[in-house]
Amino acid sequence: EVQLVESGGGLVQPGRSLRLSCSASGFTFGDYIVSWFRQAPGQGLEWVGFIRGKAYSGGTTEYAASVQGRFTISRDDSDSTAYLRMNSLKTEDTAVYYCAKPPYGNYWYFDSWGQGTLVTVSS
Amino acid sequence: EIVLTQSPDFQSVTPKEKVTITCRASQNIDINLHWYQQKPNQSPKLLIKSISQSNSGVPSRFSGSGSGTYFTLTINNLETEDAATYYCHQSQSLPLTFGGGTKVEIK
Repeated sequence: EVQLVESGGGLVQPGRSLRLSCSASGFTFGDYIVSWFRQAPGQGLEWVGFIRGKAYSGGTTEYAASVQGRFTISRDDSDSTAYLRMNSLKTEDTAVYYCAKPPYGNYWYFDSWGQGTLVTVSS
Repeated sequence: EIVLTQSPDFQSVTPKEKVTITCRASQNIDINLHWYQQKPNQSPKLLIKSISQSNSGVPSRFSGSGSGTYFTLTINNLETEDAATYYCHQSQSLPLTFGGGTKVEIK
């Protein structure tokens, strides 16, 4: 059974950093894109970025314009874990953050999602 | 960026009714349009992929159709468990985008 579990959320002050983790099981992690999404309180879904599998696409990354240059996605295939490093956090980054995987390695829609982790950026 | 415009924003319906949600794309997105269901305090669930293909385990009352820039999600014979917010999503090009969501309430 595919499982994705996010962790690392919490309360952080504006301008500070936070790193989220996405621990995966039940599939060959290294073969798949891992994407991050977020959902601000009471709002819709927003794509944050993704990291491709290293085997087929060199582990390259893509980001939404709203986080480009502040957020970094990485992966440790030996540990089946993806990370979202968030720097220079702003109040508008407050959201539930989800990681997700596609049904096939490099597809860009997602059939497995984690339960989410809440990040609150506030002084 | 491809903008997806969903309508309506909210719909209140009685059980067994039919619900139709539309999603318009700002440009042609071929078959790269998908639908998700999100219930309160839950993560999104993929319902329909590539316009009309039901994801595994999705009840047959959910169906998708459309082409080019106009797409619909239909829920036939609505059940109380279908109370949720529904989002369309395009994977034609980056950035990946979602519609604003349609909240379906059961009367």
